[in-house]
Formats: sequence, structure tokens, C-alpha cells
Amino acid sequence: DAGVIQSPRHEVTEMGQEVTLRCKPISGHDYLFWYRQTMMRGLELLIYFNNNVPIDDSGMPEDRFSAKMPNASFSTLKIQPSEPRDSAVYFCASSLIMGSNEQFFGPGTRLTVL
Amino acid sequence: AQSVAQPEDQVNVAEGNPLTVKCTYSVSGNPYLFWYVQYPNRGLQFLLKYITGDNLVKGSYGFEAEFNKSQTSFHLKKPSALVSDSALYFCAGRDSGGTYKYIFGTGTRLKVLA
Repeated sequence: DAGVIQSPRHEVTEMGQEVTLRCKPISGHDYLFWYRQTMMRGLELLIYFNNNVPIDDSGMPEDRFSAKMPNASFSTLKIQPSEPRDSAVYFCASSLIMGSNEQFFGPGTRLTVL
Repeated sequence: AQSVAQPEDQVNVAEGNPLTVKCTYSVSGNPYLFWYVQYPNRGLQFLLKYITGDNLVKGSYGFEAEFNKSQTSFHLKKPSALVSDSALYFCAGRDSGGTYKYIFGTGTRLKVLA
């Protein structure tokens, strides 16, 4: 299995632009998580899905952030409009509902908003 | 509120010496506890977990962790550190029922000196 796939790996954009981050979870995994990592705040859970349904979005910082999971193999995290304080590494992770419960992380997308 | 604490921002240890990275938790019910490692520019990788059973859990790369219910701790250990173990280590926890949401610690940077 290729693991969790994220694209792009790096994104540089200007303030006010729309940014879309993409994630393909491991096939068969029921849960998908979006995290943000910064030096100041560490690793923050933004939102997670179970069977494509958003379960907890309490970590989404504000309305500029939205996430979707249209099917079991694809999810997006969108920021519109982007701001410099959104600069961070965004990770997607997936896990099985049964069994060992550990999460498998993608390589991350490093977002820089100028 | 549930929490996971890693009291040390950084741990330095000489190569060949034993290492310990500390973690304490406050999780309702029976906790599920995890350790992850993050190398530069990479996503988090699962190391080991405690779900139930033996308090001493063995994981990848020679790491182990001891679950101590009375001290609410789950310290990561390795008998003999390698330079290649230098990385950022995260402790995480969740309760065994209810929400599937993980609580991550703030991370401990391990530096193994040659």
C-alpha cells in the first residue's frame, strides 16, 4: 500500500487566495483526520471524518476553513481566503475503526501564505 | 478535560546510553496510549501503543513503553540510544469509548549525541 497520499507537498500562495489541500487515505480505512502543525501551537486536530461524514470539526479555526470527503478515497481541506497566519504544515491521517486504532499519517503539505 | 503532557521540550542523551522520554496523561475511562516519532520533513510514524494487558509494551526500532496507572504515565524507553533515534516524539491518548479523537502531547525533541 502506498500509504496516505497528500498533495501538493508544498504550496506557496499570496494572502487572499484560495488554497485546496488534498488527501487520499489508505484504502479500507474508515476514519480520516486533518491536523495542522506549527511551532507555536504544536499539532492540532482540525476535523475528522468517519465513513465520509464529518464527526468533529471543533478544531477548525474559523469559517475560512472547510473540509469535505466526497468519497472514501478522497478528502480536501480548503482555506478561502488564506492569511499569513495559516502558514503551517497540514497533515492528513487515516485509521481503521476496528483493530489497532493507530493513525497513519501522510507526508504533509507545507503551506506558506505570503 | 482530557490531556496528555510531555514535560520535557528536549532530551539529550549520549549514544549507547539508555533513553527515557516522559509522558503523563489525564484520560477518562480506560486509556489507549500511543507513541509516534517524527523525522524532519516527514509525517508522524507509529511506534507503539498500549490498549490493555501487559504494562510493558514493545514497539518498533527497539523502543518500549511502560504503562503506569497509579502514576498516570506512559514513558518511552530504549536501552541503548542511537544517533538515528534523534527526532521529535509525540505521546497521544484517547479514551477507549466515546470519541475517536486523539489528544497529542506537545512533543519532545530527542537528541542523541555521538
